[in-house]
Amino acid sequence: AQTVTQSQPEMSVQEAETVTLSCTYDTSESDYYLFWYKQPPSRQMILVIRQEAYKQQNATENRFSVNFQKAAKSFSLKISDSQLGDAAMYFCAYTRYYSGTYKYIFGTGTRLKVLA
Amino acid sequence: DAGVIQSPRHEVTEMGQEVTLRCKPISGHDYLFWYRQTMMRGLELLIYFNNNVPIDDSGMPEDRFSAKMPNASFSTLKIQPSEPRDSAVYFCASSPQTSGRAAGELFFGEGSRLTVL
Repeated sequence: AQTVTQSQPEMSVQEAETVTLSCTYDTSESDYYLFWYKQPPSRQMILVIRQEAYKQQNATENRFSVNFQKAAKSFSLKISDSQLGDAAMYFCAYTRYYSGTYKYIFGTGTRLKVLA
Repeated sequence: DAGVIQSPRHEVTEMGQEVTLRCKPISGHDYLFWYRQTMMRGLELLIYFNNNVPIDDSGMPEDRFSAKMPNASFSTLKIQPSEPRDSAVYFCASSPQTSGRAAGELFFGEGSRLTVL
């Protein structure tokens, strides 16, 4: 069975600094998607970044980038130039197409605090 | 484009009362998901629909929970009777699934925070 593990319940970063959130997953499949979702205090889950497993190039979205290591089954999120608005829970998620739909597995989340 | 719309944002009710949570997915999305989020259990999938048809309800905790999707633009999650342990944030999410750049991506609503006293 697929699993997603976020081993850091909480992280802190100084404003303007860089922080990396870890995520590992377990799957025997070769074709899947990985996501990082952000959940600020407002509660709404917002997509930060996505990675298709068949793509070797790491995804980037402005200050957010991932380090996707397919063989190691690792998918870490790097936030550069951290801002106060980055403070939130971050969830790593795995999905693949199976029996006519996508099955989603979420990690337990990492709470990121940004210190002024 | 409007995102996924949920109502109510907050609901406080007493044990034994019926609770109905509502969701309007993004137009054109074929899949709709109901999730429950608690501190103890994290994000749990309750049920999902494909083209208005319930596909997998194995996550629904018990018979007190029911969900319907009478048309492509509306879904409800009902709890009857409600219990204090049902207190949680309930999220609705929709997905275009197989088509386009957003294939596989979940689009979440803002959630409904339920408190059962």
